[in-house]
Order: sequence, then C-alpha cells, then structure tokens
Amino acid sequence: AQKITQTQPGMFVQEKEAVTLDCTYDTSDPSYGLFWYKQPSSGEMIFLIYQGSYDQQNATEGRYSLNFQKARKSANLVISASQLGDSAMYFCAVLGSARQLTFGSGTQLTVLP
Amino acid sequence: KAGVTQTPRYLIKTRGQQVTLSCSPISGHRSVSWYQQTPGQGLQFLFEYFSETQRNKGNFPGRFSGRQFSNSRSEMNVSTLELGDSALYLCASSPLGRESQNIQYFGAGTRLSVL
Repeated sequence: AQKITQTQPGMFVQEKEAVTLDCTYDTSDPSYGLFWYKQPSSGEMIFLIYQGSYDQQNATEGRYSLNFQKARKSANLVISASQLGDSAMYFCAVLGSARQLTFGSGTQLTVLP
Repeated sequence: KAGVTQTPRYLIKTRGQQVTLSCSPISGHRSVSWYQQTPGQGLQFLFEYFSETQRNKGNFPGRFSGRQFSNSRSEMNVSTLELGDSALYLCASSPLGRESQNIQYFGAGTRLSVL
C-alpha cells in the first residue's frame, strides 16, 4: 500500500517569491516515481514534474524543482518566482508497481499580488 | 500533439440511471487510467486499461466498469447511479516505458452530477 501526506491544506505566497509545498510518502515498492500535478479551478490535472526513486539528482522543470530526500521519504515541490497564474491546487502523487497513482489530499496555493 | 480528450465535460443524471464517459488518449499512448475525484474522498483510482485489457482495478463496486478499444480510446460506465457518484471523473493516458516512469497525462475531466 502507498500513502502520500500533504500537511499544508492552504498556502499563501507573495508574487515573485519562492514557495515550498511539502510532501511525504510511504511505499513498499523498491522502485517508484514521484509526481507533482497542478489543478486549477477548471479541473484539469496538469503534470508539473517527475522524480524517479533511483535518480541521483533532484528534478527541475523551469520554475519547478523537486527537493527529493529519499531517506526521509519526502518530495517537496519548490516554485520559484511565483506568478498569479500559479494559484491552484497542487497534488503530490506516487506511482509504483501497481501502476496506479496514489495522491495526497492537496495544497491550495494562493499567490498574492 | 493533441492532449487527452474527455467527453462530455458536464453531465447531469438522476438516481438509477446509467452513464457512459469517453476518453481519447494522446496519440501513441496505449495505457488509459480512470480516477474519481470527490471533496470527501479525494482522488481515487478506478481502473487501468492497456491493449484492450483491464490490468488493474481500484476498490469500487461492480457498477463501475470500463473498456478500451483497439484505437486505445476508452469508455467507463456507471450503472444504477447513486447520489454519491457525483464527482469529477478524470482520465489519464501514458506511454510505454519502465513502470515507475510512466507519466500520466490527464484530460480536463467529466463533471457528473447525480440528482
């Protein structure tokens, strides 16, 4: 069984500032993938970034980076230079051998002008 | 390249009816997964199809079923609708690859309301 914990139901950040969204996970799979998705109010789930469990380096995609600490089982998302359009729900998810994504409860991010 | 397309976007049904939702994956993707999202339960996995075969199923009653066609398009069906089936239903497609690397790309979802 897999579990994702996102302890921040809501976060506020000032425009142009950086923000870190927390995610811890639990899985018994030796090989797994960690994902972050963004869900605006329209409902579409937008893929942001992926980290493999055996990847040595932290993943980066533009303004998004994933702070992966395997021993602590954490996979925090860092968004640099926040923009108003970043306001959305953010989900952390894990994919293992069962090929199904297990999602956390999400963090609602609000970017303030 | 077109993304994942889900139709219809919105649906209103009454209790006891049945409903069919459609999903067209990204061209070349052969795996299609379905998820249900509700305020109370969050995002939950329904099932996954690959090459017209259901490979994995979540913990949902038999009223929830699906299928995949030879062109990888998928449908899910819910029979005897209940009020609790009101949800956003999301479809995701992914390419072949090492299992844990299969990035799932989602459609915009179908919002089902059961009255």
